[in-house]
Amino acid sequence: GDSVTQMEGPVTLSEEAFLTINCTYTATGYPSLFWYVQYPGEGLQLLLKATKADDKGSNKGFEATYRKETTSFHLEKGSVQVSDSAVYFCALSSSGGSYIPTFGRGTSLIVHP
Amino acid sequence: GAGVSQSPSNKVTEKGKDVELRCDPISGHTALYWYRQSLGQGLEFLIYFQGNSAPDKSGLPSDRFSAERTGGSVSTLTIQRTQQEDSAVYLCASSRSGQETQYFGPGTRLLVL
Repeated sequence: GDSVTQMEGPVTLSEEAFLTINCTYTATGYPSLFWYVQYPGEGLQLLLKATKADDKGSNKGFEATYRKETTSFHLEKGSVQVSDSAVYFCALSSSGGSYIPTFGRGTSLIVHP
Repeated sequence: GAGVSQSPSNKVTEKGKDVELRCDPISGHTALYWYRQSLGQGLEFLIYFQGNSAPDKSGLPSDRFSAERTGGSVSTLTIQRTQQEDSAVYLCASSRSGQETQYFGPGTRLLVL
C-alpha cells in the first residue's frame, strides 16, 4: 500500500537558518503530493502541493519539488522565521475517487530567535 | 468565508461513557473525512463520506466507533463505551467533489479518564 516517510523531529533551528525536511513516498501510479502545516492548537492547512513529476509547489517562501526518480518531495525554505514553528506533514493522494490521503507522521519545527 | 468547524473543542469524559463529536464542513463540500491524531503519531484515517454515504469505513478502529452524515452537511462521530486509548485529537476535513485538497477543522481534543 501507499506510505509516506518523513524525517523525525524535532528540528530545531535559529531564525534565518535554511530548512530542509525530508519526505519520501511509496505509491502505485502517479500520486499527488502535499505538505500540510499544523500551527499550535489549530487544524492542518495546506501549505503547498504538486500533482506531477518535476512540478514545484511553493507558498510563503517554502518550496518542494516532485522527484519521481527518487520518490521524494523534500520541503525547503531559505530563511526560517519564529512564526514558522509548527508541525509539518507530508502526504500523498493516489488517483481515484476518494482522494483519501496517506500522511507521514509529521515533523515538528522549532525556530529560536 | 467560514471554514470547517468542530465541536466541542475539548471533551473530558469518563471511561465507559459515550461521546459525540460534531463536524460542520465548508458549505458546498460534498466530501467529508474524519481522522484521529494521537500524541506523537501521524494522522490515522477513520472514515470518508461522499454526500451522505460512507463508501470507505475501513479506518474505524472498532465497532464502538460509528459516524453519520445527514443532509450532505453536518457529520457526527460517535464513540461508545469510551476507553482511555481513545484519547486523541479528532480532526474533520472537507473537500469539493473531485478535489484533492482538504480543508481541516481545528479538531476536538478528547480525554478519557
